[in-house]
Amino acid sequence: EVQLVESGGGLVQPGRSLRLSCAASGFTFDDYAMHWVRQAPGKGLEWVSGISWNSGSTGYADSVKGRFTISRDNAKNSLYLQMNSLRAEDTALYYCAKDMSDEQQLTFQHWGQGTLVTVSS
Amino acid sequence: EIVLTQSPATLSLSPGERATLSCRASQSVSSYLAWYQQKPGQAPRLLIYDASNRATGIPARFSGSGSGTDFTLTISSLEPEDFAVYYCQQRSNWPGTFGPGTKVDIK
Repeated sequence: EVQLVESGGGLVQPGRSLRLSCAASGFTFDDYAMHWVRQAPGKGLEWVSGISWNSGSTGYADSVKGRFTISRDNAKNSLYLQMNSLRAEDTALYYCAKDMSDEQQLTFQHWGQGTLVTVSS
Repeated sequence: EIVLTQSPATLSLSPGERATLSCRASQSVSSYLAWYQQKPGQAPRLLIYDASNRATGIPARFSGSGSGTDFTLTISSLEPEDFAVYYCQQRSNWPGTFGPGTKVDIK
């Protein structure tokens, strides 16, 4: 069974940094691209960032480009999101999601339960 | 960026009824459209990918159709567990964008 477990969320002041992690199990992690998708409270879904199976390609939404960095450690079956210069509008539940493909096909086949990031002073 | 519009915003139906949800793209996305279901307090679940392919484990009452700019998700006979919010999402152009969702609630 595919399991994706996010961690690292919390309350942080504007301008500060936070690092999210996603622990994957139940599938061959390095066979698939991975993504972060977020959902602001009471709102819809927004793709944030994605990374190919071997970290050869990454992508970012314009809203986070230059501030967020996605990475993965295939030896540890883990996905990360380094978030810098956080803003109030980054407040959301952040989901880790597994792609259907090794490259960023952008079909989100499996999702974790999310980790909540709140940016507030 | 491709904008997806979903209609209606809310669909009020009874169990056993047929649900028809619409998703329209601001430009052609070919068949690169997916549908997700989200229940309160839960993560989204992939239902349909590439317009008409059911994801693993998805019941046959869910079906998708369309291509280009107009797509439909049909639930042939609503079960109690189907009352949820449904999102469409395109992967034709970067970034993959989601529609605003259609809420299917109990009449």
